[in-house]
Amino acid sequence: DAMVIQNPRYQVTQFGKPVTLSCSQTLNHNVMYWYQQKSSQAPKLLFHYYDKDFNNEADTPDNFQSRRPNTSFCFLDIRSPGLGDAAMYLCATSRVGSNEKLFFGSGTQLSVL
Amino acid sequence: QKEVEQNSGPLSVPEGAIASLNCTYSDRVSQSFFWYRQYSGKSPELIMSIYSNGDKEDGRFTAQLNKASQYVSLLIRDSQPSDSATYLCDVRSAGGTSYGKLTFGQGTILTVHP
Repeated sequence: DAMVIQNPRYQVTQFGKPVTLSCSQTLNHNVMYWYQQKSSQAPKLLFHYYDKDFNNEADTPDNFQSRRPNTSFCFLDIRSPGLGDAAMYLCATSRVGSNEKLFFGSGTQLSVL
Repeated sequence: QKEVEQNSGPLSVPEGAIASLNCTYSDRVSQSFFWYRQYSGKSPELIMSIYSNGDKEDGRFTAQLNKASQYVSLLIRDSQPSDSATYLCDVRSAGGTSYGKLTFGQGTILTVHP
């Protein structure tokens, strides 16, 4: 089945140690998003790619970066994780012109020690 | 004022009752409206979408949109304990891009008790 896949499901990193989360999709959607969701809060959009065009939200810290080497893959890089970055990170995709509903991956739960 | 606001929760209803979830938005050019359900520890899943004024029904779910009053609601009839989850309202506005700006409400926690 076509889907959005996130790896790993759980990630533990150390304070200040760079970490990369990955997302892949087989839906051939042109938009890919990264959301951060903390406990009891709604998902917060960090940034998104429309094809190769990167769109950063104004309040996304510089500590968060993203790469999209091709249509299928998108990565979230956290350069120096802090304790406050512990959260669920959700990848989602959508296709422009098809009502743009979001298809979510299962998420990566990040812990920072 | 927040761009998208949902009725404060948590909302608790007895099994078999109607659960009513509400969402108001501030951007008058909003075009697309979605309701997602999120179980604890899981990712959101789409349950309803609506684009024009009026009601849209899908099984036990009914979405209602009123663009003049800038609100969208979700009714869940014959609520079941399995409906207990957080419900997220997603409002898409026509922004400077072709696919619009994405704005989630803060979510409403629904609990259906037997």
